[in-house]
Amino acid sequence: KAGVTQTPRYLIKTRGQQVTLSCSPISGHRSVSWYQQTPGQGLQFLFEYFSETQRNKGNFPGRFSGRQFSNSRSEMNVSTLELGDSALYLCASSLGGTGLYGYTFGSGTRLTVV
Amino acid sequence: ILNVEQSPQSLHVQEGDSTNFTCSFPSSNFYALHWYRWETAKSPEALFVMTLNGDEKKKGRISATLNTKEGYSYLYIKGSQPEDSATYLCALNSGGSNYKLTFGKGTLLTVNP
Repeated sequence: KAGVTQTPRYLIKTRGQQVTLSCSPISGHRSVSWYQQTPGQGLQFLFEYFSETQRNKGNFPGRFSGRQFSNSRSEMNVSTLELGDSALYLCASSLGGTGLYGYTFGSGTRLTVV
Repeated sequence: ILNVEQSPQSLHVQEGDSTNFTCSFPSSNFYALHWYRWETAKSPEALFVMTLNGDEKKKGRISATLNTKEGYSYLYIKGSQPEDSATYLCALNSGGSNYKLTFGKGTLLTVNP
């Protein structure tokens, strides 16, 4: 079965711009969560969506937002990009999102802000 | 702030060696513990989800144990092979209704042929 698909794989943006990243979960998975990895940091939780509802949000500024569509696909948006937003962004899908059944990760979007 | 610690940070072993890493977490915040293996330029691959104290899980040459009372998990690799070279991540789920994983920073394993 198809895995978790993230697009695009690589992105270069200029400070002040905004960016939208996309994540298509495994078929049947209704929970999608997003994580950020920067050099020297572990994976940091951004937010989680289930059935189009955000159920939890990490400690990130309001410039980071997301949404989920009725087909469970999710997008995250970062507005007014800063150099520090340069990172690998991973999404993960799971059946219910509770953690009991594991998560399947995509390959990530590498965002570079110049 | 929940803290998940992994040690060592990195490890170099020879092919055929057996090795193990540690993941420590606050025992009062346990719901489930996940182990992932992450190779460069690939997506993290799920190894184990562990929920019960005393749990032992095995997948080929890799196994893991869990002690929720004292807040640690060990990952063992028997007879390491060069293809085992990767970063091994543990992640804590601290509640069924918080819907997130708190990750350690990982152990980078390099297996020399």
